[in-house]
Amino acid sequence: QVQLQESGPGLVEPSQTLSLTCTVSDDSISSGDYFWTWIRQPPGKGLEWIGYSYFSGSSRYNPTLKSRITLSLDTSKRQFYLKLSSVTVADTAVYYCARGNDYSGWFDPWGQGTLVTVSS
Amino acid sequence: EIVLTQSPATLSVSPGERATLSCRASQSVSTYLAWYQQKPGQAPRLLIYGASTRATGIPARFSGSGSGTELTLTISSLQSEDFAVYYCQQYNNWPRTFGQGTKVEIK
Repeated sequence: QVQLQESGPGLVEPSQTLSLTCTVSDDSISSGDYFWTWIRQPPGKGLEWIGYSYFSGSSRYNPTLKSRITLSLDTSKRQFYLKLSSVTVADTAVYYCARGNDYSGWFDPWGQGTLVTVSS
Repeated sequence: EIVLTQSPATLSVSPGERATLSCRASQSVSTYLAWYQQKPGQAPRLLIYGASTRATGIPARFSGSGSGTELTLTISSLQSEDFAVYYCQQYNNWPRTFGQGTKVEIK
């Protein structure tokens, strides 16, 4: 059973760049079957799809965040990455990484999530 | 983008009773819909995909139905571990979107 684990700073200052890493426990990150996805959830609120990275290097982003996001992956390290620039307090959320199946249709499994707070 | 509206926002149910959760889409999602369960402090867990296919290890008391703009998650006999928030999510269009959630609480 593959496992995913997010890591990165829990506190980011406004206008700075949020950077997170998701580590995958097996070699499925090198498989063309999956789409490596980021999803976030502001405290007490619902879920927002951020985007995905694919093993070929391609990616797709939520248009509401597209101008600020960079997604990438490194199959040799079994890791994929999220960078979100020019953050504001509205970007405070639990950030989840997840494995996207069926062309990033449905998500399973998920990482445990990591809370990122934007504050000075 | 496709907007998913879940109802009710909160459902109060006694253990052993049936729960029916609704997900209405602003345009057709065909059967490209998933359901997730989320408990406090935990990541969402996939229950259903393809509108009606149970994910691995999900008990048979969870079932999904519907297509187009009206989809439903049914929990046939609520167990104590089923009290949680449930989200629907569509993957017919980009960006992928989620409903706002239905909280199933103990009556």
